[in-house]
Amino acid sequence: DSGVTQTPKHLITATGQRVTLRCSPRSGDLSVYWYQQSLDQGLQFLIQYYNGEERAKGNILERFSAQQFPDLHSELNLSSLELGDSALYFCASSPTGGRSPLHFGNGTRLTVT
Amino acid sequence: AQSVTQLGSHVSVSEGALVLLRCNYSSSVPPYLFWYVQYPNQGLQLLLKYTTGATLVKGINGFEAEFKKSETSFHLTKPSAHMSDAAEYFCAVSNFGNEKLTFGTGTRLTIIP
Repeated sequence: DSGVTQTPKHLITATGQRVTLRCSPRSGDLSVYWYQQSLDQGLQFLIQYYNGEERAKGNILERFSAQQFPDLHSELNLSSLELGDSALYFCASSPTGGRSPLHFGNGTRLTVT
Repeated sequence: AQSVTQLGSHVSVSEGALVLLRCNYSSSVPPYLFWYVQYPNQGLQLLLKYTTGATLVKGINGFEAEFKKSETSFHLTKPSAHMSDAAEYFCAVSNFGNEKLTFGTGTRLTIIP
C-alpha cells in the first residue's frame, strides 16, 4: 500500500460530460502529481502541485484542470470529455519534488462512451 | 529537455534466467534515474533509484541497475527470474531543478515456466 488514495476506482461517463477525480496523498507529502496512462500515449505527466500551488505543467489539455486544497488533497477535473480521454489517471505524491521518489495511487480508470 | 528510451516493449525470459531490461536516457544535466514496476490493476511501485554516488544501485525484489554515464544507460537486471516478476517496468528520469518525472514507454516482462 503506497498510502496514496484515489477515488473513484472506475468511472464510466458519456462524451461531453464532466468528471472529478480525487486524490489523497501520503501523510506528510506536500507534492501531488497527476499522470495519464493510455495505450497509445504511455504515461504522460499532466500537472504538479506543491503545497497548494501549481509547480509544473505537462501535457494537460485546456479542458482539464486541477487544484490542491489546504488539506493537501487534490482534484483533477476533466470536462467536455471525448472518447480519447479514456485512460487510467494516476495520482502520485512525494515529500517535496520529483527528485524524491513518487508514490503512486492505484489509479482511476475513466471510460468515455 | 529530458527523455527516456526503453528498448523492447516486450521481453520474455525463462524462470531462473537472467532478466535484462534496457533503458537509455537523454539529459542535459546530471540525471536522477528511477525504475518503477506496475503489476496488473495497480499503480507504479518504485524498484530503485539513482541520484548520486555509487553507480550500481540495488533495489527491491533482487533487482539492480547500473548507471553508465558514458553510455547514457541505466539498464535493469536480475540474476534469476521468478514468476512473480511478470509485470510492466518503467524507466524514468528527472533533472535537478525539473521536478517532474519523464517516463519511458515501458517494457512488459513475461516469465516462461
